Amino acid sequence: QKEVEQNSGPLSVPEGAIASLNCTYSDRVSQSFFWYRQYSGKSPELIMSIYSNGDKEDGRFTAQLNKASQYVSLLIRDSQPSDSATYLCAVRGSNYQLIWGAGTKLIIKP
Amino acid sequence: AAGVIQSPRHLIKEKRETATLKCYPISRHDTVYWYQQGPGQDPQFLISFYEKMQSDKGSIPDRFSAQQFSDYHSELNMSSLELGDSALYFCASSLTGEETQYFGPGTRLLVL
Repeated sequence: QKEVEQNSGPLSVPEGAIASLNCTYSDRVSQSFFWYRQYSGKSPELIMSIYSNGDKEDGRFTAQLNKASQYVSLLIRDSQPSDSATYLCAVRGSNYQLIWGAGTKLIIKP
Repeated sequence: AAGVIQSPRHLIKEKRETATLKCYPISRHDTVYWYQQGPGQDPQFLISFYEKMQSDKGSIPDRFSAQQFSDYHSELNMSSLELGDSALYFCASSLTGEETQYFGPGTRLLVL
């Protein structure tokens, strides 16, 4: 079992709708969680980081963390075609390295 | 401010050859991470350096070695290349005490 699990998708969402991406992790002591966006052949780009239980909002993006359930999610409101990408969930390891999920491919249909 | 710089951006090698990938972190960043991402796969942590010392080691093959120099740039040396080494190699940098890692554009290595 991977330490960080994501549904690989693809997840298809109509333009203007809310895209919901989910991630679970196995290490209960994990403290830092990240969502990265990656376009094909490009490097990962940080979208959100979250460290405390609850919601964190930044523009159209909201990250949600539930440490009791070992679950972190990313909501994208008013989805745009330019949001089409692979979204990688990452958890900080004990030496600050990132432990990645397999990524969810998101497709926003015009 | 300039971001993380990686060179070369593309590299083609034959099996059993060697390759050197370079990473120049963001100014003042003292920590460098190397990740390998195979086709259709998630990134895998290889190795990291803090203040020129190796701080952690992940799934890096024994054929690979890396170091961080006094100017904080890092080099990943890959020997006896295999077809399976074909991947995107990303370098990321961060500043001590900060969580965020900033990624370079990556080096695409193709081993023929």
